[in-house]
Amino acid sequence: GDSVTQMEGPVTLSEEAFLTINCTYTATGYPSLFWYVQYPGEGLQLLLKATKADDKGSNKGFEATYRKETTSFHLEKGSVQVSDSAVYFCALSDRNTGGFKTIFGAGTRLFVKA
Amino acid sequence: DAGVTQSPTHLIKTRGQQVTLRCSPISGHKSVSWYQQVLGQGPQFIFQYYEKEERGRGNFPDRFSARQFPNYSSELNVNALLLGDSALYLCASLGAGTGRYEQYFGPGTRLTVT
Repeated sequence: GDSVTQMEGPVTLSEEAFLTINCTYTATGYPSLFWYVQYPGEGLQLLLKATKADDKGSNKGFEATYRKETTSFHLEKGSVQVSDSAVYFCALSDRNTGGFKTIFGAGTRLFVKA
Repeated sequence: DAGVTQSPTHLIKTRGQQVTLRCSPISGHKSVSWYQQVLGQGPQFIFQYYEKEERGRGNFPDRFSARQFPNYSSELNVNALLLGDSALYLCASLGAGTGRYEQYFGPGTRLTVT
């Protein structure tokens, strides 16, 4: 079945450091790929998305490119801020039997130190 | 426009009891999905409803059930509660015309089973 694997955390960085969170997926169809962010005590917020191969999603300085050949969707940011401290989830959505479901990775916690 | 709303915010139940969680999607959205997020893990898909019909079901026991009403709001019911049902329950809505499979999440209901 479909699955998402993302790098284990926590990831601890200093402010203005470069961020990469790795994500790979397994899917039988042609899924859409997402990164969600969850701040402490809150629900999930969509950070960025890509719906087909070679698409690049971007938002708030974060970027991720849908790589079909490597089945990857790595999240990057050039300069992190303390306010980026949160848990980041990679996810895929695909259609199945008239509906669809979203599969999430386990999440990667990011700590950014001032 | 209001986002996805869920009630109650927090809930404490005893093992063996039954619980009902409620969700109202974004106005105009006809699809609602439910997810269970155990502490420290990614959300797990429970159900998807579209136009009041079940369109997808995750790997959860029959103690979990849901329904969608004519106004597209939804209820998730869990019978015979177990300690392991303690989690954050997230509702997400999806509307026609939004980005492919892009879901909007509510803040969640935190259920504690003692």
